[in-house]
Amino acid sequence: EVQLVESGGALVQPGRSLRLSCAASGFTLDDYAMHWVRQAPGKGLEWVSGLSFNSESIGYADSVKGRFTISRDNAKNSLYLQMNSLRTEDTAFYYCAKADYDILAAPSHFDYWGQGTLVTVSS
Amino acid sequence: QSALTQPPSASGSPGQSVTISCTGTTSDVGGYNYVSWYQQHPGNAPKLMIYEVTKRPSGVPNRFSGSKSGNTASLTVSGLQAEDEADYYCSSYAGNNKVIFGGGTKLTVL
Repeated sequence: EVQLVESGGALVQPGRSLRLSCAASGFTLDDYAMHWVRQAPGKGLEWVSGLSFNSESIGYADSVKGRFTISRDNAKNSLYLQMNSLRTEDTAFYYCAKADYDILAAPSHFDYWGQGTLVTVSS
Repeated sequence: QSALTQPPSASGSPGQSVTISCTGTTSDVGGYNYVSWYQQHPGNAPKLMIYEVTKRPSGVPNRFSGSKSGNTASLTVSGLQAEDEADYYCSSYAGNNKVIFGGGTKLTVL
């Protein structure tokens, strides 16, 4: 059974940093691209970032480019999101999502999602 | 890059059909056959319902179907059931290793 479990969400002050983790099980992580998608409370979905199976292709939303860094450790079956210079508008549930392909320039649908971890940016 | 455009709400009675539109540009919806649709019930993670415009994952009822014409994709739910009441989001590959979502549509079963 495929499982994605996010962790690392917390209440942080604007300007600070936070690192999210996603533990994957039930499939071979290094066969697939992985993504982060966020959802502000009561709002819609927003794609944040994606990473190809071998980490050679990376994409970021304009809203986080230069502040967030996606990475993966296939040996540890884990996906990460390093978030720096956090802003109040980054407050959201952050979902880890598995792509159905290994590369980013491909059908970019997400067949499995975690339950999300809440990041709250507030002073 | 702006979100794909979806109507904020849609509704239908049990047994009826409802169609939700998703409008983008030639840089996303119109440029690739990589449109997907997700269903999200309150408090739950999204669930993939349609991918590559028309394909259904295993386990998704055939009451759900997708199509595309030009820069607009559509999700049709036939034979509406109470459990179909949820938020629906479209998504598309947008080039340059990016993905874009629609703003979401709240489907109400009357």
